[in-house]
Amino acid sequence: NAGVTQTPKFQVLKTGQSMTLQCAQDMNHEYMSWYRQDPGMGLRLIHYSVGAGITDQGEVPNGYNVSRSTTEDFPLRLLSAAPSQTSVYFCASSYMGSYGYTFGSGTRLTVV
Amino acid sequence: AQSVTQLGSHVSVSEGALVLLRCNYSSSVPPYLFWYVQYPNQGLQLLLKYTTGATLVKGINGFEAEFKKSETSFHLTKPSAHMSDAAEYFCAVSEGQTGANNLFFGTGTRLTVIP
Repeated sequence: NAGVTQTPKFQVLKTGQSMTLQCAQDMNHEYMSWYRQDPGMGLRLIHYSVGAGITDQGEVPNGYNVSRSTTEDFPLRLLSAAPSQTSVYFCASSYMGSYGYTFGSGTRLTVV
Repeated sequence: AQSVTQLGSHVSVSEGALVLLRCNYSSSVPPYLFWYVQYPNQGLQLLLKYTTGATLVKGINGFEAEFKKSETSFHLTKPSAHMSDAAEYFCAVSEGQTGANNLFFGTGTRLTVIP
């Protein structure tokens, strides 16, 4: 019963580097989302997906890309990391809206 | 568009006292409303939710919340605080009844429980 699994848990990048944050869920959920959490700002939606092959932008999509080739996986790519992307990133999945979302344990990213 | 306002970024209560965390929302359609709890260095855990039906909803760990449409509120309460309730709490809204499932979060309220 893994739920939502995020890797890595911690990452330090240099400005300009690229990387992929991994997210996988084993609950056969159609809906998946990426959020970033910053102090005093709550969680803000980066990108989301309503099913395999379908993605869309959230509130703060700039500098991030996503893809959804399978129901299980929803990776988040940082194309060229900037210090402003230092944050804690959460992946979440949901069967449908009325059930609420299940969250992963997060990835703490620092860009120097 | 939806939005959530949580009044009070920090709330302190004594152990055994009433917990009241305030949440007001804005939504152009009937909302789905959620409360999540986050313990240090962990992800978010669903406490309770309102979708349709009974406006007083009960969740885990003795928490409950009441949806008041006239006040656009969904305040979280617990009759008696326990030390283990110390955490950050987030209120969230979605337009789930329209099929739009994205959650919009408030900025959070950190609850401190004083022994």
